[in-house]
Parts: sequence; structure tokens; C-alpha cells
Amino acid sequence: GAVVSQHPSRVICKSGTSVKIECRSLDFQATTMFWYRQFPKQSLMLMATSNEGSKATYEQGVEKDKFLINHASLTLSTLTVTSAHPEDSSFYICSAHWTGSGTQYFGPGTRLLVL
Amino acid sequence: AQSVTQLDSQVPVFEEAPVELRCNYSSSVSVYLFWYVQYPNQGLQLLLKYLSGSTLVKSINGFEAEFNKSQTSFHLRKPSVHISDTAEYFCAVSGAGGTSYGKLTFGQGTILTVHP
Repeated sequence: GAVVSQHPSRVICKSGTSVKIECRSLDFQATTMFWYRQFPKQSLMLMATSNEGSKATYEQGVEKDKFLINHASLTLSTLTVTSAHPEDSSFYICSAHWTGSGTQYFGPGTRLLVL
Repeated sequence: AQSVTQLDSQVPVFEEAPVELRCNYSSSVSVYLFWYVQYPNQGLQLLLKYLSGSTLVKSINGFEAEFNKSQTSFHLRKPSVHISDTAEYFCAVSGAGGTSYGKLTFGQGTILTVHP
């Protein structure tokens, strides 16, 4: 149980284009999902908290107009990187919070490379 | 607000040796504590967690961690490591309630390398 999937696992795009990453909780409902960014050899940096049916809450320094988050259902949250630039290249990881367990379960991550 | 400090960025050990990965935290509220493991180019997998009850928690693959409230620590231990334990380990904390409930704060990670 407590499986979280992410799609795609890897994406390469041209500078200026937008990329959408999906995060799904497969066997539980998650009213809250989180989006993280991880730079090489570093820990995870929380970007935003995604709440089902309401606006996402962004961490300080994260541009909400660049990283669009939609949490349309209890099992799906999406992160869209708009007008991507090479500096947006990173490993993006989502997690879903299983409320009853007090625990976050993580997706396998999406490697984004912007050329 | 919470913070987490993992005291060792890298820990090299030989196979079948014991290992301890250290984690200290600070928080003004009651906390939940977690250890996650990350293999190369993968997401994080939950290794074990402390929410309440017994302060000693164990994983299915032989790891254990003990919550020590007085020392604000949650060190991870394994009496005998395997090559397959080579990975990066992250300690994390979340508030047990209120606005910080469910929101994780991570340590910087410890790379465990097991040598034959």
C-alpha cells in the first residue's frame, strides 16, 4: 500500500516550453500533496504544498506563476513548469500525505532537463 | 518551525559492520520523526517512523532508530550492513499537529557506502 507514482520519469524540453508533471496516489486519498526540488548532492527543497480543491501554498522564493500547481482530485496533483529555462533543470519529487498515517509517501521523481 | 541536522555527510563502512547515522532535531512543538532512504536517481522510500508509543522503532530490513526526547535525537542504527544498504539516508521531522502537521523538514542527508 501507499504507492505514489509520477509521470513522466524523465523529460527533455526546449527552453521556453512548458512541462507538466503528474503525481498520483494509487491506493489512498491525499488531501495534501507536496512538491520538492532536489539539486545534485543536496537535500530536498520544499517548493509548495498542494491542497485538494484550493490554491497551493508556495514556499518563500518559489515563483507561483512559473510553477503552476493544480490538485484537482484526491489522488492527482500536477506541477507545470512554465516557460522553462536551463536553470529549471532539476529532479522534481512529489509526495502525498496519507492523513490517517501522519506520513508522506514519495513518488519516484521526474528528471527535467531544459536545453 | 523545525530543523534537522545530520551530523555526518558521508559514512563509509565495511560489509557486516555495524553503523549509526546520526540525526538531531529542534522543534518548539511535538514532532513526528522519519528516516527515508534514496537510491540513485530514485525518489524517497520510507524506512521507518516514530509517531508515538515505543521510542524504539524498527524497519523490516534490520534498521532501527530510537527517539530520545531529552537529547532531541533520532539516530539510525543497523548491527550488520549489506552492500545493498548503500544509499543516501535522510532524517526528517514534521509537527505532530497544528500548521506544521504533515509538512516535512529534511536533514542534509548522509551517504552510506558499504564496502566489501
